[in-house]
Amino acid sequence: NAGVTQTPKFRVLKTGQSMTLLCAQDMNHEYMYWYRQDPGMGLRLIHYSVGEGTTAKGEVPDGYNVSRLKKQNFLLGLESAAPSQTSVYFCASSFGPRDTQYFGPGTRLTVL
Amino acid sequence: AQSVSQHNHHVILSEAASLELGCNYSYGGTVNLFWYVQYPGQHLQLLLKYFSGDPLVKGIKGFEAEFIKSKFSFNLRKPSVQWSDTAEYFCAVISQNFVFGPGTRLSVLP
Repeated sequence: NAGVTQTPKFRVLKTGQSMTLLCAQDMNHEYMYWYRQDPGMGLRLIHYSVGEGTTAKGEVPDGYNVSRLKKQNFLLGLESAAPSQTSVYFCASSFGPRDTQYFGPGTRLTVL
Repeated sequence: AQSVSQHNHHVILSEAASLELGCNYSYGGTVNLFWYVQYPGQHLQLLLKYFSGDPLVKGIKGFEAEFIKSKFSFNLRKPSVQWSDTAEYFCAVISQNFVFGPGTRLSVLP
């Protein structure tokens, strides 16, 4: 039982490049989330999903897209990376909307 | 809009000192409350949570938190900290949305 996993762990992009971050969970959770963590700002919700095939915007969705084609996977895409997107990205999942969220190990992204 | 504030940005303590980290939230309805810990270089882990019942909640590693509804607070406490408690601590509240506080960095000096 791996819990929540994220790939890759580190990535460096140039401005304008695109990439996709993958999150996978094996706990059969309905809800999945993408956060970004920046110093002094805590975690801010980018997008979330309440089930397979559904996605919704969080607090800071601009510049990101997501997809949830399979229940266990939640993908975060950056179509045209900007230096402001340099951050640590965490994926999380939960059974229900008010339940404990379980976090992945994070992806450190640097955009030059 | 719902918000969570944490009183201290950085707390520095010596080993065996007592700890209290403040957390206040703005939402007046039913809430679930959480404290997460992030050790250096690691992901967030749940320390404790409050959903209902006894407002004094005990978590892992000797931590506890008290929910005071009238003060919209959920402060984290530990009677005697250890060097291994050095980490960042996040309070989180869920009512309509899951909202994290900005975090408090705890440094424990050996």
